[in-house]
Amino acid sequence: DARVTQTPRHKVTEMGQEVTMRCQPILGHNTVFWYRQTMMQGLELLAYFRNRAPLDDSGMPKDRFSAEMPDATLATLKIQPSEPRDSAVYFCASGLGVAMNSPLHFGNGTRLTVT
Amino acid sequence: RKEVEQDPGPFNVPEGATVAFNCTYSNSASQSFFWYRQDCRKEPKLLMSVYSSGNEDGRFTAQLNRASQYISLLIRDSKLSDSATYLCVVMAGRGSTLGRLYFGRGTQLTVWP
Repeated sequence: DARVTQTPRHKVTEMGQEVTMRCQPILGHNTVFWYRQTMMQGLELLAYFRNRAPLDDSGMPKDRFSAEMPDATLATLKIQPSEPRDSAVYFCASGLGVAMNSPLHFGNGTRLTVT
Repeated sequence: RKEVEQDPGPFNVPEGATVAFNCTYSNSASQSFFWYRQDCRKEPKLLMSVYSSGNEDGRFTAQLNRASQYISLLIRDSKLSDSATYLCVVMAGRGSTLGRLYFGRGTQLTVWP
């Protein structure tokens, strides 16, 4: 079964440190999403790529967050500097895009704790 | 107004009960609809897509009413293993948000013995 792979699974860091989360989408998928989930806010969209091009990152705090797709097999989400309020579970998801009317497949998530 | 609205629950039902969840969406151009299930501390997983004519998968039935912009999920003969949060998901159908998925906050279900 093809899966979206995220690393690391858990990350504990101190405020001010840089955090990089990685995602390997399912081979052949051309859309990649980054979501953040907290108890208070539910699932929030941070960034959305289609064919490696960023389409929507309006949900992402631009001053500290950045998302990239260096190639079709890797998506990254970086926080610099991290803050305690960034503590959440970060999910990456990939899909076949609009043309295939396809749902998203989620990775296991990165559980981030910023102290 | 949020793109997708769901009753957060919680719904607490006994085994064997029938339970229904509802969801409304605000964008009439939305083109695809899904129900996801999320277990505690796990990632969301696709439960089923929702088709215009309604569709059934075992004990689960999904309905779509485009005129009222309303989606439902019916679970018959509830099992303990159905306990989870159910997320209503809508895909935008046009413009700059084409292909973007909007998630509801989820409806929490607990099935007790």
